[in-house]
Amino acid sequence: DIPMTQSPLSLSASVGDRVTITCRASQNIDFYLNWFQQKAGKAPKLLIYGASTLHTGVPSRFSGSGSGTDFTLTISSLQPEDFATYYCQQGYRFPLTFGGGTKVEIK
Amino acid sequence: EEQLVESGGGLVKPGGSLRLSCAASGFTFSRYAMNWVRQAPGKGLEYVSSISTDSRYIYYADSVKGRFTISRDNAKNSLYLQMNSLGAEDTAVYYCARDTEVSPAASGFGFDPWGQGTLVTVSS
Repeated sequence: DIPMTQSPLSLSASVGDRVTITCRASQNIDFYLNWFQQKAGKAPKLLIYGASTLHTGVPSRFSGSGSGTDFTLTISSLQPEDFATYYCQQGYRFPLTFGGGTKVEIK
Repeated sequence: EEQLVESGGGLVKPGGSLRLSCAASGFTFSRYAMNWVRQAPGKGLEYVSSISTDSRYIYYADSVKGRFTISRDNAKNSLYLQMNSLGAEDTAVYYCARDTEVSPAASGFGFDPWGQGTLVTVSS
């Protein structure tokens, strides 16, 4: 298995803030890193795949970077609809694994 | 509209079995690898299983290997998860999710779309 470690576990931020979430893989996963957003009571939604490719329809304030073992999800200007839990996931090797999640809350 | 709809969840006693189904519509089901992901109450996402387009390649999380069986019927646009020897640790919302890209096996580029989920509760 490839454990994925996200940080922080949670963060409080205000509308308009720049937010950064990190994800670290226990071994090299090249660029096979995906980011999902999940709102309470809803199914997750794909935000970014391949470490940096924005999924169709995702606002450009979301961006991803990194390769190898260290990755980052950035929200350039937090909007009210962005308060949610974010998960990274490695798609490099089975079994696929998710990070523990980062909850973004309103300050 | 691309859509996945899960069914078959419910309350089951420890040691029991349950079969989940996922009905796909709005896309060519046979061209995509498919997956199951679960989420225990108040917890994070946990990968469960994947199946390639032709069912030749199948993968499981260690936590379900030997107890769960994934399958698909491309003629019926349906994905299944047979769950046996269920325990309390299997209590979760189970999501069906399609691979993001057309590919015989998993692309590694995430899952989209997802179904709405079906709740499985294992309790006596």
